[in-house]
Amino acid sequence: GENVEQHPSTLSVQEGDSAVIKCTYSDSASNYFPWYKQELGKRPQLIIDIRSNVGEKKDQRIAVTLNKTAKHFSLHITETQPEDSAVYFCAAGQAGTALIFGKGTTLSVSS
Amino acid sequence: EPEVTQTPSHQVTQMGQEVILRCVPISNHLYFYWYRQILGQKVEFLVSFYNNEISEKSEIFDDQFSVERPDGSNFTLKIRSTKLEDSAMYFCASSVYQETQYFGPGTRLLVL
Repeated sequence: GENVEQHPSTLSVQEGDSAVIKCTYSDSASNYFPWYKQELGKRPQLIIDIRSNVGEKKDQRIAVTLNKTAKHFSLHITETQPEDSAVYFCAAGQAGTALIFGKGTTLSVSS
Repeated sequence: EPEVTQTPSHQVTQMGQEVILRCVPISNHLYFYWYRQILGQKVEFLVSFYNNEISEKSEIFDDQFSVERPDGSNFTLKIRSTKLEDSAMYFCASSVYQETQYFGPGTRLLVL
């Protein structure tokens, strides 16, 4: 089955810096890669997703890149703000199947 | 904006008791999921449900677990005989098609 590895487990940046979180997946059949942000005690919130027919997607300060050959995808947050502090999870799956999550990255943005 | 809702928000139960966790998916969604998250760990898939039947389940989803869509709006997860290790946050999710899944606020289950 699918296995998703996520790095780093913790990331501390200064406000205004960029943050990059990387994930690898094992199942070449996976074709859908969402990123979720989870604040303490709250639900995972979808922030961006990418499908395997696209190499990059951007939404304001957030971007995701996908390298299908290498089976890895990354989340890029530019101009970080304190409210970006949260746990970020990557996930991988196929249409209509389970999402397999990475272990999460705790991002801390200090002002 | 429509959201997935879950009840109760917290549930405390004794080991061996049955619990039912309830979810109301977003109204036009067709695919429903249950996930769990043990404190401080990653989100783990339990089961997916489409067209009134289970479409996929993980090894966690053993005979102690069952799901049901008793009416047109609710989606439930039942744990027949709870164990200490069932203590976790349980999230329901739904999707209109087969990809973007929206999560509910979760039910925190504590088994004593």
